[in-house]
Amino acid sequence: QAVLTQPSSLSASPGASASLTCTLRSGINVGTYRIYWYQQKPGSPPQYLLKYKSDSDKQQGSGVPSRFSGSKDASANAGILLISGLQSEDEADYYCMIWHSNAYVFGTGTKVTVL
Amino acid sequence: EVQLVESGGGLVQPGGSLRLSCAASGFTFSSFEMTWVRQAPGKGLEWVSYISGSGTTIYYADSVKGRFTISRDNARNSLYLQMNSLRAEDTAVYYCARVAVGDWGQGTLVTVSS
Repeated sequence: QAVLTQPSSLSASPGASASLTCTLRSGINVGTYRIYWYQQKPGSPPQYLLKYKSDSDKQQGSGVPSRFSGSKDASANAGILLISGLQSEDEADYYCMIWHSNAYVFGTGTKVTVL
Repeated sequence: EVQLVESGGGLVQPGGSLRLSCAASGFTFSSFEMTWVRQAPGKGLEWVSYISGSGTTIYYADSVKGRFTISRDNARNSLYLQMNSLRAEDTAVYYCARVAVGDWGQGTLVTVSS
């Protein structure tokens, strides 16, 4: 079982909200981790969006619109990236990341399609 | 402005070696941990290796342990990845990055093929 699991794809309409989940493997408590989120478009390196540990410990990437926000769902043991007011330019792959057991671990990635 | 510029990628035969370099600028290089991350064609991101700012703490992914060596020269603001015993599955774009801060290079392509 992967350390971080993300849905492989998600489709939504322009203007809608999209909630991307990053589920931590059983036995790894989401509450103790800072979760990083990246956006990657074809042919380009990943772009940092934000990091989130709690409402008092979070950081938005420089120039990243406020419609990108992070949170956690403790009951699901998951980190969440919420994209509000989806735009066509948000169509990309999204990866979560944590520092776990002396390694950076990336999620499996979610491809977001804006219909 | 932070810049990370990778070089050294190319085509190499299985079992061969390659040394990647990353030239850093725009920040106090010695103060920051650095990582190598790779991405195979059409695949997701895979963390490869980590080195602390002083170079005293180093970690590797299991997939490269014993074959790859990360190092840095803080006087030259440079990060390196020595890759030995290369395999076809090492084919990927290799990125130099400050992943916890959000700075990445453009990547350099390594192709392992006969």
